[in-house]
Amino acid sequence: GAGVSQTPSNKVTEKGKYVELRCDPISGHTALYWYRQSLGQGPEFLIYFQGTGAADDSGLPNDRFFAVRPEGSVSTLKIQRTERGDSAVYLCASSLTLGEQYFGPGTRLTVT
Amino acid sequence: AQSVTQPDIHITVSEGASLELRCNYSYGATPYLFWYVQSPGQGLQLLLKYFSGDTLVQGIKGFEAEFKRSQSSFNLRKPSVHWSDAAEYFCAVGARNDYKLSFGAGTTVTVRA
Repeated sequence: GAGVSQTPSNKVTEKGKYVELRCDPISGHTALYWYRQSLGQGPEFLIYFQGTGAADDSGLPNDRFFAVRPEGSVSTLKIQRTERGDSAVYLCASSLTLGEQYFGPGTRLTVT
Repeated sequence: AQSVTQPDIHITVSEGASLELRCNYSYGATPYLFWYVQSPGQGLQLLLKYFSGDTLVQGIKGFEAEFKRSQSSFNLRKPSVHWSDAAEYFCAVGARNDYKLSFGAGTTVTVRA
């Protein structure tokens, strides 16, 4: 079946602009996660949804970052007033059970 | 909070030779442990996982890993490496009462002919 998909695959934006990154999880997966992977690093947790609600947003770096999952399926990560330090690959994952997460290909965000 | 250390940033191995990637974790209880592989331009693919039971776990692509509680380690091994194994490998740890994973910084594997 289809895996986790993310759009766009690449996004270039100017400093100060607003961006939205989309994630389509595997059908039926109730849990959805966002991670950020900077160059040369492992993924870092941002936020986790169980159904429609954000169960844990402790990894969001500041209030410029926000994520929604209004119908319990597709999720959007929103970044306001982007900064050059936000440049990274943003990974989305989904899972049906505790622990086993399936990752999408990521969105590479470049802030110029 | 849990954390993961992958001591080797880069490993070069000859095709057909054995491979071992090190992973040490810090966590107060028995964790969930994972190895993921990331090829260029690809997402993370789960190689194997340890939740409980037998401490030697088998994964896909001929990989295995051994959980050693006394050493807080979960090293990944493959007896004979193929050129297609060239990729970046990440060890991750999860708490049993939490969904988020903590990843190591990764080990890049280069396979030479």
